[in-house]
Amino acid sequence: AQSVSQHNHHVILSEAASLELGCNYSYGGTVNLFWYVQYPGQHLQLLLKYFSGDPLVKGIKGFEAEFIKSKFSFNLRKPSVQWSDTAEYFCAVRGPNDYKLSFGAGTTVTVRA
Amino acid sequence: GAGVSQSPSNKVTEKGKDVELRCDPISGHTALYWYRQSLGQGLEFLIYFQGNSAPDKSGLPSDRFSAERTGGSVSTLTIQRTQQEDSAVYLCASSLTIQTTSRYEQYFGPGTRLTVT
Repeated sequence: AQSVSQHNHHVILSEAASLELGCNYSYGGTVNLFWYVQYPGQHLQLLLKYFSGDPLVKGIKGFEAEFIKSKFSFNLRKPSVQWSDTAEYFCAVRGPNDYKLSFGAGTTVTVRA
Repeated sequence: GAGVSQSPSNKVTEKGKDVELRCDPISGHTALYWYRQSLGQGLEFLIYFQGNSAPDKSGLPSDRFSAERTGGSVSTLTIQRTQQEDSAVYLCASSLTIQTTSRYEQYFGPGTRLTVT
């Protein structure tokens, strides 16, 4: 079955630490990839997206993600986190010829001031 | 411009009652989606609309769930004879298009938190 896996359930960091969240998917073919963020009490917001082209994509708030096709991965990174990055992060995939998004289970990131 | 809006933001209902959840998509967005976010199940897709048509209803958890969209705009998700396992946050999203060859993203609303007691 097609699936999206996020490796970490909960990550706790100190401010200024680097963050990397893993995401792997099992779809073959061309996929569209997304990272969404849900800040406490807020709705899902798009952080960044990949459709094609440069596998390194930059999003809002200093986040970036790298698409590695051979590894079926789309990992999210930020070099230096802030307390305001405390949130839940979701990786999402739209498979070939698909219309819906399939989400990973989410990773809760807690940044300690 | 205005984003996706949903109402009510919270709904508490007794087991066995029917509920209606409303979604107002971004103006001009032809596609509309319903998802459910619950503990243990994560974010799961329920149904989508292209215009007023819902080509695939297989994501709906049971025949107690139904959805409609009128005028290519507002959508209503109805849950009949609610059960405790229906407790979740119901999310609505919209997108400009739904063509699989197009580059587009889905914009999510704030959700309706449904609690069935």
